[in-house]
This record gives sequence, C-alpha cells and structure tokens, in this order.
Amino acid sequence: SQQGEEDPQALSIQEGENATMNCSYKTSINNLQWYRQNSGRGLVHLILIRSNEREKHSGRLRVTLDTSKKSSSLLITASRAADTASYFCATDDRMDSSYKLIFGSGTRLLVRP
Amino acid sequence: SQTIHQWPATLVQPVGSPLSLECTVEGTSNPNLYWYRQAAGRGLQLLFYSVGIGQISSEVPQNLSASRPQDRQFILSSKKLLLSDSGFYLCACYRGRGTEAFFGQGTRLTVV
Repeated sequence: SQQGEEDPQALSIQEGENATMNCSYKTSINNLQWYRQNSGRGLVHLILIRSNEREKHSGRLRVTLDTSKKSSSLLITASRAADTASYFCATDDRMDSSYKLIFGSGTRLLVRP
Repeated sequence: SQTIHQWPATLVQPVGSPLSLECTVEGTSNPNLYWYRQAAGRGLQLLFYSVGIGQISSEVPQNLSASRPQDRQFILSSKKLLLSDSGFYLCACYRGRGTEAFFGQGTRLTVV
C-alpha cells in the first residue's frame, strides 16, 4: 500500500532557485523520512523528522511536518545541478515484531545549470 | 554504518529462465532485510522482508521468492522469469523506528 504520496511528480528549476516537494500520508506516524535517489542507484537517507517535531534543518535541506494535515514538505535551498535526483518520503508501518518502510512514488527533480 | 552489497548490477535474462539475486550486509548483525522492486520512474514496492534467518514474509503474491540462509544474506529468486519481472531490485536494511534505512546499489533486471 502507498503510505506517502509526493507532489509534484516532476519539478524543473533553474540552478540557484529553491525546490519544494510535498508528501502526504494516510495513517498516524512515529516519524517521516526523506530519501534521495540518483538515476539508477540506491536510495540515500537525507533526513528524519519525528512526529513531535514541526521543522528540521540539515545544511540546505529544510523539512516540515504537519501531523494534523498528515503532510510533510522538503525544501532544498539554493539548488545545484548536483541536486538533480528523485526524492522520496517514507513512513514506517508496524508489522508483527518489526517495521517496514513504505515509500511514496517520488518527485523527480531536475536542476538546470 | 551498514553497507549493503548487491550483485549483479545489471542482468538480462530470457523468459522462463531462473533468477538468483544476492544481497549481503556488512557492519551490523541480526538486521531486518527487505527486497523492493521499482518500475521505471516509479516508487518502491515492497516484495519481501525478513527479521531473521529462515524468516520470510511476502508482501505481494507473485512469481518471486526470497530466502535468508545466513544472518547477513538475503536472496531473491525465481524458478521461471516472466516479462513482468523486469525492473530495478533494491535490497535494504532497516532496524526500525527512529533509524535510517540503508540500500544497496540495485540490480536492473531485464527479462527478454
């Protein structure tokens, strides 16, 4: 099942501009994570925000979480061509004695030099 | 931190042939391991997960199976591949809430 859904599906911006990606989810969460995937590669963890946090920063990344709206946003400031990648949000779902990460469909970001 | 090794990186297999993709983990013990499949330009679909040796749970009934013969080894298999099995397969290690997942570099499987 899809827990997180990203919006927009694709985003094209000029280098130096900010990029904002949104994620909506369906059930209550303990935390929400954002991952980046370069074309044809594995996913790399970017940032995790817990349900009791509203905003978190890491370098040029800013993540917000609104649990009342079941949504999160990822802002990349002063984008660079190297930021071109797909970005996914993920939430975890309890299963028996463990957890599984459920990913959204992703936002494909293109940063034009 | 953990390192996930996946091989091969790319694979072209004829319809009806068997499949074996291997994933090994370094840097941790007793990991929870996952196989995901990703269609081109799409999100990740969870196929199997394992919380320990010999313990496999399937998320989606399909032509594939998984096995965990050792603590840090996770194998994805098929006896007879279908065209619809083509995709990008990712192995991941995830310890649970409040932690990050680590991914291998993926295997791109093309069934012809």
